[in-house]
Amino acid sequence: GENVEQHPSTLSVQEGDSAVIKCTYSDSASNYFPWYKQELGKGPQLIIDIRSNVGEKKDQRIAVTLNKTAKHFSLHITETQPEDSAVYFCAANKETSYGKLTFGQGTILTVHP
Amino acid sequence: ETGVTQTPRHLVMGMTNKKSLKCEQHLGHNAMYWYKQSAKKPLELMFVYSLEERVENNSVPSRFSPECPNSSHLFLHLHTLQPEDSALYLCASSQESRRTDTQYFGPGTRLTVL
Repeated sequence: GENVEQHPSTLSVQEGDSAVIKCTYSDSASNYFPWYKQELGKGPQLIIDIRSNVGEKKDQRIAVTLNKTAKHFSLHITETQPEDSAVYFCAANKETSYGKLTFGQGTILTVHP
Repeated sequence: ETGVTQTPRHLVMGMTNKKSLKCEQHLGHNAMYWYKQSAKKPLELMFVYSLEERVENNSVPSRFSPECPNSSHLFLHLHTLQPEDSALYLCASSQESRRTDTQYFGPGTRLTVL
């Protein structure tokens, strides 16, 4: 089955800096890669996703890049703010599976004011 | 809010108790999911329902019993649980389950088994 590795497990940055979280996956058939943000006491919320026919996608301060050859994808947050502090999860899935998202272990991001 | 609600938000139960978790989605979706989130482990998919039919059972012990009476409601019945079953149980829904549709999560039920 699919295996998703996520690094780093914790990330601490100063407000205004950029943050990068990286994930690798094992199943070359995977073609959907969402990123979720989980705040304390809440469920994961989708912040951005990318599909295998696209190499990069941006949404304001958030961007995701995908390298299918190397089987890795990354989340980039620019101009970080204290409210970006949360746990971030990457995940992978493929069209043929029943919505079977495989998640990474999570990254605790702390943005210091 | 995401349109997915879960009750109760917190539950403490003994190993011999029977309890149920409830999930309701107000998004008109056809697929619903149960996930388990334990400390220091990735989210683990437990069950997938599509149009009220279970389409995925991820090797979950029989002490967890899901029920999906209609496409808006999902239950997880619990009995004779173990302390290691203590975790955050998350419900999610998506438009369909066969496609890579966005999954929307509820806030979860924090379960503690004594």
